[in-house]
Amino acid sequence: NAGVMQNPRHLVRRRGQEARLRCSPMKGHSHVYWYRQLPEEGLKFMVYLQKENIIDESGMPKERFSAEFPKEGPSILRIQQVVRGDSAAYFCASLSLASTDTQYFGPGTRLTVL
Amino acid sequence: LAKTTQPISMDSYEGQEVNITCSHNNIATNDYITWYQQFPSQGPRFIIQGYKTKVTNEVASLFIPADRKSSTLSLPRVSLSDTAVYYCLVASNSGYALNFGKGTSLLVTP
Repeated sequence: NAGVMQNPRHLVRRRGQEARLRCSPMKGHSHVYWYRQLPEEGLKFMVYLQKENIIDESGMPKERFSAEFPKEGPSILRIQQVVRGDSAAYFCASLSLASTDTQYFGPGTRLTVL
Repeated sequence: LAKTTQPISMDSYEGQEVNITCSHNNIATNDYITWYQQFPSQGPRFIIQGYKTKVTNEVASLFIPADRKSSTLSLPRVSLSDTAVYYCLVASNSGYALNFGKGTSLLVTP
């Protein structure tokens, strides 16, 4: 049973370009979370999605950031016109909402903005 | 989300038992306590989860007193590979976003 998959693992972009980060949840999981982690910091929640629905985007910047989880295919975190401050590790987690289930994390995408 | 407080860092020698205590004074009735482990350049890995008393699995034990205002993660006989950051989290159910603090950075040396 494959775990949460994220790609690419490393992404380099120049300022002003777009970054697309992909997350495939564990089989049977229909809930996806995106977190951002800056160096020496804990993970910060960004957005919570179910299939075709954004449940909670309170942690996501209002501008340049968007997320989707289509009926088919992976969840996508999109960052437009990246700036150096967007450089971070972005983690995706998924869960199935069983009675005592918990979130399982992917390996992350390390975004570097030059 | 209940706020948690845990030591910033801890040191241990190989083979020792390590106990990391987390305070969560504002824990709510429906909250569970969950611990994650994170190695550099990797995503957090679930270790253990509990609601009250004691929970044990093949990796660790979790002790939760009756008032549930704190919890202690116990790692028996640590090895060098247990060097990692350990996060204590409190959430009402698994459908909520997790609130990660800075965690406890554990260093295990020979």
